[in-house]
Amino acid sequence: AQSVAQPEDQVNVAEGNPLTVKCTYSVSGNPYLFWYVQYPNRGLQFLLKYITGDNLVKGSYGFEAEFNKSQTSFHLKKPSALVSDSALYFCAVRRNTGGFKTIFGAGTRLFVKA
Amino acid sequence: EAGVAQSPRYKIIEKRQSVAFWCNPISGHATLYWYQQILGQGPKLLIQFQNNGVVDDSQLPKDRFSAERLKGVDSTLKIQPAKLEDSAVYLCASSANPQGRSGELFFGEGSRLTVL
Repeated sequence: AQSVAQPEDQVNVAEGNPLTVKCTYSVSGNPYLFWYVQYPNRGLQFLLKYITGDNLVKGSYGFEAEFNKSQTSFHLKKPSALVSDSALYFCAVRRNTGGFKTIFGAGTRLFVKA
Repeated sequence: EAGVAQSPRYKIIEKRQSVAFWCNPISGHATLYWYQQILGQGPKLLIQFQNNGVVDDSQLPKDRFSAERLKGVDSTLKIQPAKLEDSAVYLCASSANPQGRSGELFFGEGSRLTVL
């Protein structure tokens, strides 16, 4: 069975500081991993994905994520947070065989203080 | 390129009434998904279509929910009769890759349902 855990309901960071939003997953086989962002009253927007290759993937708006197979983690990072980064962030995992169903975590609310 | 279109954006109904949501995916996207997002939770997959065939509907409450994707383009999700616990945002998404393999999902803005 697939599952995704985002252990923090909320992450608070000051503008200009680095941020990390944590994600761990459970899936059989090699996973496809994704991060999405959701702004108020909007649908989810794709940020970045890991399919294969380099463990550090770069995405939109200066975000990056590090895939760690041994720890089954895919943490989202940004070197310098902006107030406009404040939003709800979802980690998602998809098994790369079978029905390719995408499972989402419960989400982490990021609050960046000016 | 036009995004995923959904309507209506907001709907308020009383329990035991029926409601229908419509989705038009990005042109050429073969895979279409309906997710249910309850406040404070992540999206939960209800049904996944590949063209006009169902790939996964294991979490669709089939006694009250139904969905179709005629001609492999637009899709409609129906709830009849609605229950209080159906209050949620219903998100439609599409993907270009066959069965959505490695591709990201493109989401519409969602349809917010309130059941009174």
